[in-house]
Amino acid sequence: DTAVSQTPKYLVTQMGNDKSIKCEQNLGHDTMYWYKQDSKKFLKIMFSYNNKELIINETVPNRFSPKSPDKAHLNLHINSLELGDSAVYFCASSRGTDPNQPQHFGDGTRLSIL
Amino acid sequence: QKEVEQDPGPLSVPEGAIVSLNCTYSNSAFQYFMWYRQYSRKGPELLMYTYSSGNKEDGRFTAQVDKSSKYISLFIRDSQPSDSATYLCAMNRRGTPLVFGKGTRLSVIA
Repeated sequence: DTAVSQTPKYLVTQMGNDKSIKCEQNLGHDTMYWYKQDSKKFLKIMFSYNNKELIINETVPNRFSPKSPDKAHLNLHINSLELGDSAVYFCASSRGTDPNQPQHFGDGTRLSIL
Repeated sequence: QKEVEQDPGPLSVPEGAIVSLNCTYSNSAFQYFMWYRQYSRKGPELLMYTYSSGNKEDGRFTAQVDKSSKYISLFIRDSQPSDSATYLCAMNRRGTPLVFGKGTRLSVIA
């Protein structure tokens, strides 16, 4: 059983479109995250939710809007896609926000903007 | 200067070699240090976690933290082809998000 699952795995779309990525975890965790890994493999936090509330919102364009309908799901909607949005987006979850709680990652959504 | 610096490699070693992977950091407030392993087309998975300074051993893996030098290391003994992956260091302090290094790509040749 996949612990953190993301859909879709691959997303190829045109500049200017709006798209969503979904994430679900079956670990019973309270905290979920979105990360962006660029072409140089640099992994950077975008957002974090704890018990459906936004707790981390790094400097990310407001075209990116996360939504957590419940503790097990954290979706990412992106408006007006740009070439620079091409990257791998990873969802992760952890049991609480304590730093000694390991984060479990999904296998990523590869977004390519044409 | 980036908060966390990590040589991207690639690093290629023969099977059975001892591998040393390193990161340096600039923020002396970091207290929690992790190593993640990422296989191609997969998400990172936590390998080792260390709080503050010192060593931690788990099987063939040893993590070391030297806070005075702002330097952390991961040693892999008796390396195997299955260890071929990208290794990412990550660190933070309480209440702040994890900051990752760029990752070092390791190939272990049989």
